[in-house]
Amino acid sequence: DAKTTQPPSMDCAEGRAANLPCNHSTISGNEYVYWYRQIHSQGPQYIIHGLKNNETNEMASLIITEDRKSSTLILPHATLRDTAVYYCIVRVMNAGNMLTFGGGTRLMVKP
Amino acid sequence: GAVVSQHPSRVICKSGTSVKIECRSLDFQATTMFWYRQFPKQSLMLMATSNEGSKATYEQGVEKDKFLINHASLTLSTLTVTSAHPEDSSFYICSAKPGDYLQETQYFGPGTRLLVL
Repeated sequence: DAKTTQPPSMDCAEGRAANLPCNHSTISGNEYVYWYRQIHSQGPQYIIHGLKNNETNEMASLIITEDRKSSTLILPHATLRDTAVYYCIVRVMNAGNMLTFGGGTRLMVKP
Repeated sequence: GAVVSQHPSRVICKSGTSVKIECRSLDFQATTMFWYRQFPKQSLMLMATSNEGSKATYEQGVEKDKFLINHASLTLSTLTVTSAHPEDSSFYICSAKPGDYLQETQYFGPGTRLLVL
């Protein structure tokens, strides 16, 4: 699986959009970009994933650059409950694949 | 939505004893389950991949005789930490993947915090 690079920490004001970047310059054509988050002392929670096109669901939006070497997870209106570690993972969509977690970005949403 | 449960949520045991942790997929069948371990302020590290009806595949450096994994049914996998020692104290998290090949999302349990005294 391609390696990802994320900033170790970010702050965001409550109610504002949180934009979390991820670099994956060695991503290959059949690798997807996944985002998970882990709130303190809980198991990770799936957020969103995509291949080429931008994706949106009830939790977030995923913007993938045209060359697919980087992506941004957008939480449109961050709340205090969005404080968590956010993991960007790239992997081939394969029935047997596990997830490889890097360091992630610790997002702190402040009032 | 897909829910994965773990039991117990936290356990304290004496050094040398064995501890069993259960991971259940509550509303879907999971042909594959994964066990992770997370030490304080660190990321999740995969320990093993468990496929229903077959032996688990362990990651390098994980002792298969110490961390026994049983995936006896499509909704249950168990991790037994045998002869636990204080260095085994950690946060153990399982994830489950639905059997549908097209369903790629993994769903995680809430984790089990193990403290070995």
